[in-house]
Amino acid sequence: DVKVTQSSRYLVKRTGEKVFLECVQDMDHENMFWYRQDPGLGLRLIYFSYDVKMKEKGDIPEGYSVSREKKERFSLILESASTNQTSMYLCASGIAEISSYEQYFGPGTRLTVT
Amino acid sequence: ELKVEQNPLFLSMQEGKNYTIYCNYSTTSDRLYWYRQDPGKSLESLFVLLSNGAVKQEGRLMASLDTKARLSTLHITAAVHDLSATYFCAVDSRGRDDKIIFGKGTRLHILP
Repeated sequence: DVKVTQSSRYLVKRTGEKVFLECVQDMDHENMFWYRQDPGLGLRLIYFSYDVKMKEKGDIPEGYSVSREKKERFSLILESASTNQTSMYLCASGIAEISSYEQYFGPGTRLTVT
Repeated sequence: ELKVEQNPLFLSMQEGKNYTIYCNYSTTSDRLYWYRQDPGKSLESLFVLLSNGAVKQEGRLMASLDTKARLSTLHITAAVHDLSATYFCAVDSRGRDDKIIFGKGTRLHILP
Protein backbone atom coordinates (compact mmCIF):
# COMPACT_ATOMS: atom_id res chain seq x y z
CA ASP A 1 0.00 0.00 0.00
CA VAL A 2 1.08 3.52 -0.71
CA LYS A 3 1.99 5.37 2.41
CA VAL A 4 2.18 9.13 2.67
CA THR A 5 3.10 10.50 6.06
CA GLN A 6 3.12 14.01 7.40
CA SER A 7 5.29 15.12 10.28
CA SER A 8 2.54 16.45 12.52
CA ARG A 9 -1.21 15.96 12.81
CA TYR A 10 -1.71 19.14 14.82
CA LEU A 11 0.51 22.20 15.05
CA VAL A 12 0.11 25.53 16.82
CA LYS A 13 2.44 28.37 15.88
CA ARG A 14 2.64 32.09 16.58
CA THR A 15 2.34 34.83 14.00
CA GLY A 16 5.71 35.52 12.39
CA GLU A 17 7.21 32.12 13.14
CA LYS A 18 8.82 30.08 10.41
CA VAL A 19 6.94 26.81 9.98
CA PHE A 20 8.06 23.61 8.30
CA LEU A 21 5.58 20.94 7.25
CA GLU A 22 7.18 17.70 6.15
CA CYS A 23 5.78 15.03 3.88
CA VAL A 24 7.31 11.66 3.08
CA GLN A 25 6.11 8.99 0.66
CA ASP A 26 7.43 5.47 0.36
CA MET A 27 6.36 4.52 -3.17
CA ASP A 28 9.02 6.21 -5.27
CA HIS A 29 6.45 8.57 -6.77
CA GLU A 30 7.70 11.32 -9.03
CA ASN A 31 4.90 13.77 -8.24
CA MET A 32 4.22 15.39 -4.90
CA PHE A 33 1.70 18.08 -3.99
CA TRP A 34 0.76 20.39 -1.17
CA TYR A 35 -2.86 21.51 -0.73
CA ARG A 36 -4.71 23.46 1.87
CA GLN A 37 -8.30 22.68 2.72
CA ASP A 38 -10.67 25.27 4.11
CA PRO A 39 -14.41 25.00 4.77
CA GLY A 40 -16.42 25.95 1.72
CA LEU A 41 -13.34 26.26 -0.48
CA GLY A 42 -12.42 22.63 -1.05
CA LEU A 43 -8.83 21.76 -1.79
CA ARG A 44 -6.55 24.40 -3.23
CA LEU A 45 -3.17 23.59 -4.67
CA ILE A 46 -0.25 25.50 -3.15
CA TYR A 47 2.79 23.97 -4.85
CA PHE A 48 3.68 20.78 -6.63
CA SER A 49 6.83 19.02 -7.73
CA TYR A 50 7.46 16.62 -10.58
CA ASP A 51 11.02 15.74 -9.66
CA VAL A 52 13.79 16.34 -7.19
CA LYS A 53 14.71 20.01 -6.90
CA MET A 54 11.85 20.89 -9.21
CA LYS A 55 8.84 22.93 -8.09
CA GLU A 56 5.87 24.61 -9.69
CA LYS A 57 3.46 27.13 -8.24
CA GLY A 58 -0.09 26.04 -7.77
CA ASP A 59 -3.10 28.29 -7.39
CA ILE A 60 -2.24 29.94 -4.06
CA PRO A 61 1.56 29.99 -3.60
CA GLU A 62 1.77 33.38 -1.88
CA GLY A 63 3.28 33.16 1.59
CA TYR A 64 4.62 29.65 1.00
CA SER A 65 7.73 28.02 -0.37
CA VAL A 66 8.71 24.39 -0.87
CA SER A 67 11.76 22.20 -0.93
CA ARG A 68 12.35 18.84 -2.55
CA GLU A 69 15.91 17.72 -1.99
CA LYS A 70 15.07 14.00 -2.09
CA LYS A 71 12.48 12.17 -4.14
CA GLU A 72 10.58 10.87 -1.15
CA ARG A 73 10.36 14.13 0.79
CA PHE A 74 8.48 17.34 -0.01
CA SER A 75 8.52 20.16 2.50
CA LEU A 76 6.17 23.13 2.75
CA ILE A 77 7.59 26.23 4.39
CA LEU A 78 5.72 29.18 5.79
CA GLU A 79 8.42 31.85 5.99
CA SER A 80 6.46 34.06 8.38
CA ALA A 81 3.23 32.46 9.53
CA SER A 82 0.08 34.56 9.54
CA THR A 83 -3.35 33.90 11.00
CA ASN A 84 -4.88 33.50 7.54
CA GLN A 85 -2.66 30.47 7.06
CA THR A 86 -4.59 28.61 9.74
CA SER A 87 -5.86 25.63 7.80
CA MET A 88 -5.68 21.91 7.15
CA TYR A 89 -2.67 21.08 4.99
CA LEU A 90 -2.71 17.94 2.89
CA CYS A 91 0.23 16.39 1.12
CA ALA A 92 -0.24 14.01 -1.78
CA SER A 93 1.96 11.94 -4.04
CA GLY A 94 1.37 10.21 -7.34
CA ILE A 95 2.97 8.56 -10.31
CA ALA A 96 3.32 10.29 -13.65
CA GLU A 97 1.75 7.82 -16.04
CA ILE A 98 0.08 8.80 -19.26
CA SER A 99 -3.06 6.97 -18.22
CA SER A 100 -3.55 8.33 -14.77
CA TYR A 101 -2.40 10.97 -12.38
CA GLU A 102 -4.14 9.49 -9.36
CA GLN A 103 -2.97 10.98 -6.09
CA TYR A 104 -2.54 9.44 -2.68
CA PHE A 105 -3.04 11.66 0.31
CA GLY A 106 -1.37 11.93 3.68
CA PRO A 107 -3.37 12.25 6.92
CA GLY A 108 -3.15 16.03 6.98
CA THR A 109 -1.69 18.61 9.35
CA ARG A 110 -4.07 20.97 11.07
CA LEU A 111 -2.13 24.18 11.58
CA THR A 112 -3.33 26.94 13.86
CA VAL A 113 -1.52 30.27 13.79
CA THR A 114 -2.25 32.49 16.79
CA GLU B 1 -8.72 27.86 -16.84
CA LEU B 2 -10.20 24.60 -15.66
CA LYS B 3 -13.06 24.88 -13.19
CA VAL B 4 -14.75 22.01 -11.43
CA GLU B 5 -18.20 22.39 -9.95
CA GLN B 6 -20.00 19.90 -7.79
CA ASN B 7 -23.59 19.89 -6.79
CA PRO B 8 -25.13 19.68 -4.42
CA LEU B 9 -22.57 20.89 -1.89
CA PHE B 10 -24.59 19.44 0.95
CA LEU B 11 -26.99 16.53 0.89
CA SER B 12 -28.99 15.02 3.68
CA MET B 13 -30.84 11.84 2.80
CA GLN B 14 -32.45 8.90 4.48
CA GLU B 15 -31.13 5.38 4.45
CA GLY B 16 -32.43 3.27 1.62
CA LYS B 17 -32.83 6.15 -0.82
CA ASN B 18 -30.98 6.68 -4.09
CA TYR B 19 -29.26 9.88 -5.07
CA THR B 20 -26.74 11.32 -7.48
CA ILE B 21 -23.92 13.80 -7.05
CA TYR B 22 -22.92 15.76 -10.14
CA CYS B 23 -19.52 17.00 -11.18
CA ASN B 24 -19.22 19.43 -14.09
CA TYR B 25 -15.96 20.71 -15.46
CA SER B 26 -15.19 23.49 -17.87
CA THR B 27 -12.50 22.30 -20.31
CA THR B 28 -11.56 19.13 -22.11
CA SER B 29 -10.32 16.31 -19.95
CA ASP B 30 -10.67 12.57 -20.01
CA ARG B 31 -9.37 11.80 -16.56
CA LEU B 32 -11.60 12.22 -13.59
CA TYR B 33 -11.23 11.10 -9.99
CA TRP B 34 -13.61 10.63 -7.09
CA TYR B 35 -12.40 10.79 -3.50
CA ARG B 36 -14.03 10.25 -0.15
CA GLN B 37 -13.10 12.12 3.01
CA ASP B 38 -14.34 11.18 6.48
CA PRO B 39 -14.40 13.88 9.17
CA GLY B 40 -10.92 14.61 10.49
CA LYS B 41 -9.31 12.27 8.01
CA SER B 42 -7.57 12.53 4.70
CA LEU B 43 -8.85 11.79 1.22
CA GLU B 44 -9.32 8.21 0.06
CA SER B 45 -9.37 7.40 -3.64
CA LEU B 46 -12.65 5.83 -4.78
CA PHE B 47 -12.68 5.79 -8.57
CA VAL B 48 -10.47 6.73 -11.48
CA LEU B 49 -12.34 7.30 -14.75
CA LEU B 50 -10.13 7.45 -17.79
CA SER B 51 -12.32 7.51 -20.88
CA ASN B 52 -15.65 8.65 -22.22
CA GLY B 53 -18.41 6.33 -21.13
CA ALA B 54 -16.35 4.83 -18.31
CA VAL B 55 -18.44 3.36 -15.53
CA LYS B 56 -17.09 1.95 -12.30
CA GLN B 57 -18.94 0.46 -9.38
CA GLU B 58 -18.02 -0.54 -5.90
CA GLY B 59 -20.69 -1.57 -3.48
CA ARG B 60 -23.45 1.01 -3.40
CA LEU B 61 -21.44 3.61 -5.31
CA MET B 62 -21.27 3.91 -9.07
CA ALA B 63 -19.36 6.57 -10.98
CA SER B 64 -19.63 7.44 -14.65
CA LEU B 65 -17.96 9.85 -17.03
CA ASP B 66 -19.33 11.66 -20.08
CA THR B 67 -16.45 13.63 -21.57
CA LYS B 68 -18.61 15.19 -24.27
CA ALA B 69 -20.93 16.69 -21.68
CA ARG B 70 -17.97 17.31 -19.33
CA LEU B 71 -19.93 15.61 -16.60
CA SER B 72 -19.34 12.88 -14.10
CA THR B 73 -21.90 11.44 -11.73
CA LEU B 74 -21.55 9.53 -8.50
CA HIS B 75 -24.70 7.52 -7.87
CA ILE B 76 -25.58 6.17 -4.47
CA THR B 77 -27.94 3.21 -4.35
CA ALA B 78 -29.91 2.34 -1.22
CA ALA B 79 -27.78 4.59 0.96
CA VAL B 80 -26.53 3.40 4.34
CA HIS B 81 -25.24 5.49 7.23
CA ASP B 82 -21.63 4.37 6.65
CA LEU B 83 -21.59 6.30 3.39
CA SER B 84 -21.83 9.60 5.26
CA ALA B 85 -18.72 11.54 4.23
CA THR B 86 -17.59 14.35 1.97
CA TYR B 87 -17.10 13.35 -1.64
CA PHE B 88 -14.76 15.22 -3.96
CA CYS B 89 -14.41 14.99 -7.69
CA ALA B 90 -11.18 16.09 -9.32
CA VAL B 91 -10.24 16.61 -12.93
CA ASP B 92 -6.85 16.41 -14.59
CA SER B 93 -6.08 19.76 -16.20
CA ARG B 94 -3.97 18.20 -18.99
CA GLY B 95 -1.62 20.43 -20.94
CA ARG B 96 1.94 21.32 -20.05
CA ASP B 97 1.36 21.82 -16.36
CA ASP B 98 -0.64 18.77 -15.50
CA LYS B 99 -2.33 19.15 -12.20
CA ILE B 100 -5.54 17.99 -10.67
CA ILE B 101 -8.27 20.51 -9.92
CA PHE B 102 -10.71 19.62 -7.15
CA GLY B 103 -14.34 20.49 -6.74
CA LYS B 104 -15.47 21.97 -3.44
CA GLY B 105 -16.86 18.68 -2.25
CA THR B 106 -20.31 17.34 -1.48
CA ARG B 107 -21.00 16.76 2.17
CA LEU B 108 -23.30 13.75 2.37
CA HIS B 109 -25.21 13.07 5.55
CA ILE B 110 -27.27 9.89 5.65
CA LEU B 111 -29.89 9.72 8.33
CA PRO B 112 -30.48 6.36 9.99
